Parts: sequence; C-alpha cells; structure tokens
Amino acid sequence: GQQVMQIPQYQHVQEGEDFTTYCNSSTTLSNIQWYKQRPGGHPVFLIQLVKSGEVKKQKRLTFQFGEAKKNSSLHITATQTTDVGTYFCAGKGYGGATNKLIFGTGTLLAVQP
Amino acid sequence: GAVVSQHPSRVICKSGTSVKIECRSLDFQATTMFWYRQFPKKSLMLMATSNEGSKATYEQGVEKDKFLINHASLTLSTLTVTSAHPEDSSFYICSAETQGSTDTQYFGPGTRLTVL
Repeated sequence: GQQVMQIPQYQHVQEGEDFTTYCNSSTTLSNIQWYKQRPGGHPVFLIQLVKSGEVKKQKRLTFQFGEAKKNSSLHITATQTTDVGTYFCAGKGYGGATNKLIFGTGTLLAVQP
Repeated sequence: GAVVSQHPSRVICKSGTSVKIECRSLDFQATTMFWYRQFPKKSLMLMATSNEGSKATYEQGVEKDKFLINHASLTLSTLTVTSAHPEDSSFYICSAETQGSTDTQYFGPGTRLTVL
C-alpha cells in the first residue's frame, strides 16, 4: 500500500537556525498537505499543494511540492520557540472511493531558546 | 469557521467495558468524517472513513466489530470501542471534510482513552 515517509524523525535546533523536513511518498500524489501538531494537541492544517513543482510561502515557512508529485518539503527560516511541534505531511493518492489522507511519519522539531 | 469537537476529551475505563466517542462538526455539514488512532510519538493511522447514512469503510487490519462507527447525521459521527482492553488505549482523533470541499480535513481535539 501507499507509504509516506519523513526525514528526519527528530530535529533539535537553536532558536534562529533554519529547519527542513522532507516527505517522500511511494506513489504519485494528487495533492499533499502539511499539518502541525503541538505536544498534547491535535493536527492543525497548514497548507495544501496541488501542482507539480508548486512552492508556497507562509511568513517564515516555505512549502514545496516535487516535480514528480511524490515528494515535498517544509522549510522554516529562523526558527522560534513557537515552532516547536511535530510536522506531518499527508498525501492523497489518485483514484479510490474515498478522500483519505495518508499521513507521513512526522518530524518532531525542538527549538532551544 | 470549520470547528470540530470531540467528546469526551479524556476517558478512563475498565477492561471489558465499551466506550463511545462523539465527533461533531459545529459550524458546517460534513458528509465525510474520518477516524484516526495515534500512539505516543507516532503518526496518525487512519482507522475508517465514515459517510453520512452509509456504512463506514474500514482500513485493512481494523476490526469493524471492535470499533463501531455510526454517522447518523451530517454533523455527528460516533466511534464505539467495544469490550475495550488495555491495548486499545490510545489517542483517537476524528476529522471532517466540509460539504463541497474534499481537500481539507478539519481535526477534532482528540480523545485520550485509557483502559485499565
């Protein structure tokens, strides 16, 4: 079945450093979404990418969808302590009767002040 | 807008009892709701897709007689964990898609189930 992997599993940075998490799917995706989950919280939708090669920015966050629509990345510039949490990518495949999302394995970001 | 609530937020029960978790879309109608399970420090695992007025579609390996799902209205889906055992202890999260939009899921706050 479809699998979505993320690397790294865990990243510890000093406040102000940059951070990147990479997402790779075993199959081509119709779209990819990114979520952030704070410790003890639930996933919160960040963004959706649909087009091949698409790049979107949200303040210090830059999201990219690969040309083959099988991988994606999230880059945070100048991390802040409020960026702490686990970042999940989630992909939707083509076909099938449901609109289910397959979540990636997640990257836990720790930011030291 | 697009708020999803879950009740209860936390439940502790004895082994062998059944627990019902409610998922409600508060300000929109959701034709489709999803139930996920998350173990500590792990990703979300889709358990089933729930469509209003029809039987839920379960993912491979998820026991439908163990995890009963009912989606009786456009704003409410319930997950009942029957004859719960300690291995069922987990964080259960629901999500809902807004009617007319199948690209964004809004997540509930989750229910932490502990089976003693």
